[in-house]
Amino acid sequence: NSKVIQTPRYLVKGQGQKAKMRCIPEKGHPVVFWYQQNKNNEFKFLINFQNQEVLQQIDMTEKRFSAECPSNSPCSLEIQSSEAGDSALYLCASSIQGASAETLYFGSGTRLTVL
Amino acid sequence: GDSVTQTEGLVTLTEGLPVMLNCTYQSTYSPFLFWYVQHLNEAPKLLLKSFTDNKRPEHQGFHATLHKSSSSFHLQKSSAQLSDSALYYCALRNNNAGAKLTFGGGTRLTVRP
Repeated sequence: NSKVIQTPRYLVKGQGQKAKMRCIPEKGHPVVFWYQQNKNNEFKFLINFQNQEVLQQIDMTEKRFSAECPSNSPCSLEIQSSEAGDSALYLCASSIQGASAETLYFGSGTRLTVL
Repeated sequence: GDSVTQTEGLVTLTEGLPVMLNCTYQSTYSPFLFWYVQHLNEAPKLLLKSFTDNKRPEHQGFHATLHKSSSSFHLQKSSAQLSDSALYYCALRNNNAGAKLTFGGGTRLTVRP
C-alpha cells in the first residue's frame, strides 16, 4: 500500500469554485511532486517542491493553481477557479531526494470532477 | 527538452505469450529510466528502473535493458499472466536536482485467457 496519503479521494466542484486537495508525503521524503492524469491517462507535471521551496512549475500552475508544502503540515494543491478541463486525477508523489536515480512514490490520487 | 515515446497505446495478448512494450526517449542528459505500472483505481507503482552499471533490472518476471545507443528501454516478459493487465508507463528522470519524472503516453496491456 502507498505511504503517500492523498485526501479527499473524490472531489466534485462547480465551475468557478475553488478545489483544494492535500497530500502527506512518505515520511522522510523532502521532495514532493504534483501531476495531473487526464481522461486519456496522460501525465502532466504541475509543480514540485523540496521541503518548502518550489523547484519547478509549469505556466498553468502559476496562473490558476496554487500549491504549498508548509513544514509540519500536509502539502496542498488548490485550483482557484475550477474549469471543466480541470477534471482529472491529481497525483502526489514523493521521493527521498532530488537525484535522478531516486524513485517517485505515488499516492492514490484525488479525482476531481468539475461540473 | 526531455521526451518519452511509447508507440503502442493498447496491447492485447493471450495468457502465456511473451510481452514486449516499447519505450524510446530523448534527453539532453544521461537520464535514469523507469517503468511504472498502474492497475485500475490504484496508484502508479514502480516496476523497475535502470542501473548505472548496465545490469538488467528485473521484477515480477519483467525485465528491461537500457540501450543508450538507441535510446530505448523496452519492457519484456517471457509469459504474460492475467494479473499483468494494467497501464504501463515508461518514464525518465535526468540529472537536474529535484528533476521531475517525464512520462510516456502509457500502454494499456490486456491479457486474456
